[in-house]
Amino acid sequence: EDQVTQSPEALRLQEGESSSLNCSYTVSGLRGLFWYRQDPGKGPEFLFTLYSAGEEKEKERLKATLTKKESFLHITAPKPEDSATYLCAVQDIRMDSSYKLIFGSGTRLLVRP
Amino acid sequence: NAGVTQTPKFQVLKTGQSMTLQCAQDMNHEYMSWYRQDPGMGLRLIHYSVGAGITDQGEVPNGYNVSRSTTEDFPLRLLSAAPSQTSVYFCASSYSSDGYGYTFGSGTRLTVV
Repeated sequence: EDQVTQSPEALRLQEGESSSLNCSYTVSGLRGLFWYRQDPGKGPEFLFTLYSAGEEKEKERLKATLTKKESFLHITAPKPEDSATYLCAVQDIRMDSSYKLIFGSGTRLLVRP
Repeated sequence: NAGVTQTPKFQVLKTGQSMTLQCAQDMNHEYMSWYRQDPGMGLRLIHYSVGAGITDQGEVPNGYNVSRSTTEDFPLRLLSAAPSQTSVYFCASSYSSDGYGYTFGSGTRLTVV
């Protein structure tokens, strides 16, 4: 069964304190792994797509990396505006419809000034 | 502004009532879907559509109906509301068959009493 587990559930950082969020996944074959940011009361906002082990993507203070079993979202020198819930999702190549995403439950990040 | 529009933003229903959650997109996306988000469980796919006139079930379809008569609109119908359907509902659309570039609406918070 396809599964996505994110850790930690919640993370508190001081402004400037770098850290990483983890997304471990189990799929028969990975078509793609996706990171989203979700602010309170809003819908998820797309950040990155990763397709193969070793791939990396960057956007401002965020960098996403991918291995065969997990993905990390590295946050370098975070600012309070980076506070949000970060969601990870995977797409299984085996699914009869390639449109389906399996989401993790997210990591709530709070960055204190 | 271009994007995915969901209405209403908030709704309270009594058990057994029916209602329709509206979703419209103006990006000419072929792919649209409905998710529900519950605390600690991540986003779960209810129904999806790969084009006008074509719909299919997701992970948790029971108690919900959809139709797609136009590319722009993808309403979600609750047939007989139950307390277990209390959740936040998100509509999403995409121009591609994978999760790249998913655009989510801002959500409908539904409470069934």
